[in-house]
This record gives sequence, structure tokens and C-alpha cells, in this order.
Amino acid sequence: NAGVTQTPKFRILKIGQSMTLQCAQDMNHNYMYWYRQDPGMGLKLIYYSVGAGITDKGEVPNGYNVSRSTTEDFPLRLELAAPSQTSVYFCASSLYGSGGGDTQYFGPGTRLTVL
Amino acid sequence: EDQVTQSPEALRLQEGESSSLNCSYTVSGLRGLFWYRQDPGKGPEFLFTLYSAGEEKEKERLKATLTKKESFLHITAPKPEDSATYLCAVHPLGAGTALIFGKGTTLSVSS
Repeated sequence: NAGVTQTPKFRILKIGQSMTLQCAQDMNHNYMYWYRQDPGMGLKLIYYSVGAGITDKGEVPNGYNVSRSTTEDFPLRLELAAPSQTSVYFCASSLYGSGGGDTQYFGPGTRLTVL
Repeated sequence: EDQVTQSPEALRLQEGESSSLNCSYTVSGLRGLFWYRQDPGKGPEFLFTLYSAGEEKEKERLKATLTKKESFLHITAPKPEDSATYLCAVHPLGAGTALIFGKGTTLSVSS
């Protein structure tokens, strides 16, 4: 099992550009998540999905969009990139998300800089 | 408001010098508390899940404990390879699937 994989590892964008961060998991997990991690701050949830075709906003969704067409993939779209979106982005997955605190497993991250 | 506070922010130890990291939390109810290890430039790596006060879990030199207000990550006779940032997260009742993360404790162990 590769677990949770993310591409690219690094990316530099200009203000106003758009891009898609890719995330895939091969553990047959139902739930998938996108977090951002800023220096000195805890991880913040951007969006999550409870299954194919179902997504919901997290704590910091503005400026991002997601889709979930398959169980395995959960891409994060940045439209009109802004310097405030400079961060490290982590994708995570869990088998289920309720009833007893399910463990989330994280990918290696994408470091994004917006100039 | 649900929140998680980790202390200290940074901890420097000599090899073999045991210590503890603290995670205090304020939530209306707890589904689970998680400890992760994060190495520089990497994603968080799962260590432990604790569900109820009094529960303890161990893995090699690490032992996690849980009370109704806080969790401790005890590190016994640490080695340089234990150097990392340790993250604590809670899964509150009624919060859907969202975890609330602390800011982490960065541990440095020197030989």
C-alpha cells in the first residue's frame, strides 16, 4: 500500500494563477480531508469528503474548491491564487469519520508558494 | 470554544533524559485524542489514539496517557532519532469529522 499520495511536492504560483493539488489513497477509505499548515499554527481543515460525490466545508474553505468523483481521489483546486494561500497542504484519509474517533492518515504534503 | 494547547513549544533533551509533553484540551465531549509525529518536510505520522480517561498506550520509548482535561506523551530515555515535532489533536463530540490540532511541541534530542 502506498497509503496517501500527493502531487506535486512543491509549486510556485503567481498571484491570480490557478492550480489543482492532487491526492489519492489506496486504503479504500471513505473519508478524505484537506488541511493547510502555516508556520507556528495547528493544521486547519479546508474541506472534507465522506464519500464519492459528497463534500463539505471545513474551517477555512474560502479560495478553494474540491470534488470527489471516486473513492480514491480528492483533488483540491485553487482559483485565483493569493499570497495568503502560501502554505503546506496535507491530504488525509480515514476509514470512517464518526463514532469513536477514527484515525486519519496523512500524505507527505505539497508546499505551495504564491508570489 | 473547543481548543487544544500544547506545552512546551520546544524542548531540548540530552540522550537518555526522560521527559513529558503536555496536551491540554477544552471540548464539550471527547470522541478521541490523537498523537502524531511530524518530521521536517513530512506529513504527520500517526502514533496513538486514546478514547477515555485513564487509558494508556505505549510504543517503544513513547507512552501516551489521558485524563479528562489533558494528555501526556512521556518519552523515556530518548534518542536523537526521536527528534521531531509532536502534534496532539482532539476529535470533539458533535464536530462532525473535524479534528482540532494543537500547534505542536518540537523536541530536540542531542547525543
